[in-house]
Amino acid sequence: EDQVTQSPEALRLQEGESSSLNCSYTVSGLRGLFWYRQDPGKGPEFLFTLYSAGEEKEKERLKATLTKKESFLHITAPKPEDSATYLCAVDYGNNRLAFGKGNQVVVIP
Amino acid sequence: DVKVTQSSRYLVKRTGEKVFLECVQDMDHENMFWYRQDPGLGLRLIYFSYDVKMKEKGDIPEGYSVSREKKERFSLILESASTNQTSMYLCASSSPGGVRMDTQYFGPGTRLTVL
Repeated sequence: EDQVTQSPEALRLQEGESSSLNCSYTVSGLRGLFWYRQDPGKGPEFLFTLYSAGEEKEKERLKATLTKKESFLHITAPKPEDSATYLCAVDYGNNRLAFGKGNQVVVIP
Repeated sequence: DVKVTQSSRYLVKRTGEKVFLECVQDMDHENMFWYRQDPGLGLRLIYFSYDVKMKEKGDIPEGYSVSREKKERFSLILESASTNQTSMYLCASSSPGGVRMDTQYFGPGTRLTVL
C-alpha cells in the first residue's frame, strides 16, 4: 500500500508556464513532510520541510503548501533550470521517511 | 553547509564480489542512512544508524550489512554482490530530531553495476 503518491509522474512546461505538483499521503498523525529536488545522476537536494496543515514555505519560484491529506509544490514562471525530479517524503515515525516516486519536470525554453 | 560525500560516483563489480560503499559527513550528525533508488520504485531504506556502533534494519536489508565505527563514517557492505543489487545507492545524514525527524541531507550517490 502506497503511503505517498505523487502526481503527475511527468510534466512538460513551457518557460513561464506556472503549474503545481501534488503529493498525497495516507499517514495518520503527520510528523513532517519534506520536498527535495533531484537532478539526473545526483543526490536529492533539500528544499522545504512542512509540519502542519496551512503551513507554506517559499524559495525563489517554488512554493510548498500543506493540507491534512496532501502537499503542493507550486512552480511560478518556471525557467529551464527548474527542470528536475521533485521528491516528496513523509516522516511516519521510527526514524523512517516514506518517499514518493517523484514528479519529473521538464521546462522547455 | 552540510556536506555528505560518497567514496565513488560509479562502481562496476562482478557477481559474488564483496563490495564496500563508504559515506562521510562533516556536520557531526548522529543519524546516518543508506538508501537505494531504482526506477519506478523510488528511494527505499536499507539500513540506518543513530549512533556509533548502533544500527537498525530498514525496509530492504537482505543482502546488505553496515558498519559505523566512527560518528562521521557509515559503510554499506554487499557481502556477495548479485545482479539485482545493481542500483543507485544514496547516503544521507541528519540530526537526531527527537519526536520529529530532522532534515536528511544526501550525498551525490554511487551508481553500482554488478555484472
